[in-house]
Amino acid sequence: DAMVIQNPRYQVTQFGKPVTLSCSQTLNHNVMYWYQQKSSQAPKLLFHYYDKDFNNEADTPDNFQSRRPNTSFCFLDIRSPGLGDAAMYLCATSRGASGQETQYFGPGTRLLVL
Amino acid sequence: DAKTTQPPSMDCAEGRAANLPCNHSTISGNEYVYWYRQIHSQGPQYIIHGLKNNETNEMASLIITEDRKSSTLILPHATLRDTAVYYCIVRLSQGGSEKLVFGKGMKLTVNP
Repeated sequence: DAMVIQNPRYQVTQFGKPVTLSCSQTLNHNVMYWYQQKSSQAPKLLFHYYDKDFNNEADTPDNFQSRRPNTSFCFLDIRSPGLGDAAMYLCATSRGASGQETQYFGPGTRLLVL
Repeated sequence: DAKTTQPPSMDCAEGRAANLPCNHSTISGNEYVYWYRQIHSQGPQYIIHGLKNNETNEMASLIITEDRKSSTLILPHATLRDTAVYYCIVRLSQGGSEKLVFGKGMKLTVNP
């Protein structure tokens, strides 16, 4: 089945140690998104790629970066994780960017910062 | 910012229909209403969306009022696996504002 895959499901890192989260998709969708969801809160968009065009949300900290080397893969890099970055990180994809294009989410990666 | 209002929680008996309300009084003519749900520790799951007309799929029905200021998601025969946080979201249909802005959602608990 076509799907959005996130690895690993759980990631533990140390305070200040760079960490990379991975997302891949078999849907051949043009758009890939990264959301952050802290405990008991709603998901919040960090940034997205439309093909190779990167779109950052205005309030996304500089500590968060992303790479999309090809259509199928997208990475979230946290350069110096702080305790406040512990959260579930959700990857989503959509065929297009308009409001009528459904976003499909992966299972998420839960990040723990020690 | 989220443009929808949902009650914080709702209970439903297993096997009964669950009717989940959502107010979106400031919705524009080109904005879609989307419903997602999130089961604990999983990614959000798409349920259904609509613009003006009522919609039905294998998961649920979406009833949108004629003035489009509110809608109701109907799960016709709720099961225990439908226990989740349900998000009602409005999105622009075009113009580049493709963000899903999640509000607080509504926790639905289906009881045996």
